[in-house]
This record gives sequence, structure tokens and C-alpha cells, in this order.
Amino acid sequence: NAGVTQTPKFQVLKTGQSMTLQCAQDMNHEYMSWYRQDPGMGLRLIHYSVGAGITDQGEVPNGYNVSRSTTEDFPLRLLSAAPSQTSVYFCASRYRVNTEKLFFGSGTQLSVL
Amino acid sequence: DAKTTQPNSMESNEEEPVHLPCNHSTISGTDYIHWYRQLPSQGPEYVIHGLTSNVNNRMASLAIAEDRKSSTLILHRATLRDAAVYYCILSGNQGGKLIFGQGTELSVKP
Repeated sequence: NAGVTQTPKFQVLKTGQSMTLQCAQDMNHEYMSWYRQDPGMGLRLIHYSVGAGITDQGEVPNGYNVSRSTTEDFPLRLLSAAPSQTSVYFCASRYRVNTEKLFFGSGTQLSVL
Repeated sequence: DAKTTQPNSMESNEEEPVHLPCNHSTISGTDYIHWYRQLPSQGPEYVIHGLTSNVNNRMASLAIAEDRKSSTLILHRATLRDAAVYYCILSGNQGGKLIFGQGTELSVKP
């Protein structure tokens, strides 16, 4: 198993550009989520999904869209990038029940100029 | 959502035990207590979790107070590789989401 795979690892955007951060898992996990981590800070939940076709907002959803058309993939879309979205983004997945552990990807470092 | 409170930082000496505290006074009966850690420049990794009883695994032990309003992560012999930020998190009937706090930054001195 590859686990949780995030692409790209690094990305630089200009203000106003759009892009999609990719997240894929091959563990048949129903639950997937996106976090952002600003320098020196903890992780903040952006969006999460408990299964294909189901998504919900986390703590900081503004400026981001998600969709879950398959169990394996959970892309995060930035519609119009802003400097405030400069951060490291982590995707995580697990089986549905909340007793199971989260598996994290290696992160995407995003800079918005 | 129930919140957790952790010290911002702690120090330990190598090969000594470390007790990392977490307060969660508003915990509900269905909330599990999870611990994750994040090594420098890496994503978080699972450490341990429990509901009511103390738990042990190869990485650590989790001691849960009888009233469940606090818990302690115990690293039995700290190594330099244990230097990380440790997060105490509650998960219950919140749609399955895990909300991370600021965590405790553990430094280990040789």
C-alpha cells in the first residue's frame, strides 16, 4: 500500500490563481480530511468527508472547495489564491469509526505571492 | 466541540520517563482520547488512543483519570527521536472530525 499520497509537494502561486491539491489513498478508507498548518501553529481542519458524495466543513473552510466522487480521492481546490493561504497542507484518512487512527500524507507546501 | 488544554512546551532528559498532561474537562461520555505527534518537517503520526481504561502500546502508555477530565501520555524512556509536538485530541459524535489544538512541544536533552 502507498498509504496517503499528496501531490504536488511544493507549489508557488500568484494571488488570484486557482489550483487543486490532490490527495489519494489506497486503504479503502471512508473518512478523508484536509488540514492546514501555518508556521509555528497547530493543524486546523479545512474540510472532511465521511464517504463518497459526502463532504462537510471544518474550522477554516472559506476559500476552499472539496468534492468526493470516489472513495480513493479527495481533492482540495483553491478558487482564487490569497497570500493568507500560504501554508502547509496535510491530507489524512482513516476508516469511518472515530476509534481508528488517522494516516497523514507528507504534505504540500504552498506559497501564494 | 470539547476542547483540550496542554502545556505549550516541556523538557526531558534522554532515557528518562516523560509525562505529558492533557486536560479535557468538558469531555463527553462518547469522546475517545487520541494522541498524535509531529516530528519536525513531517506530518502527524498516531501514538495511542483510549476511552476509559489505561492503554499501552509499543510507543507509549496512556493514563486516563477516573473522571476522564484529564489524561497523561507516558513515554517510558525518552530518546532524542521523541522530540516532537504532541497533540491530545478528543473524537466523539462530531461527524468523525478530529480538531487539533496547539499541542506540547517536547524537547529531549542528551
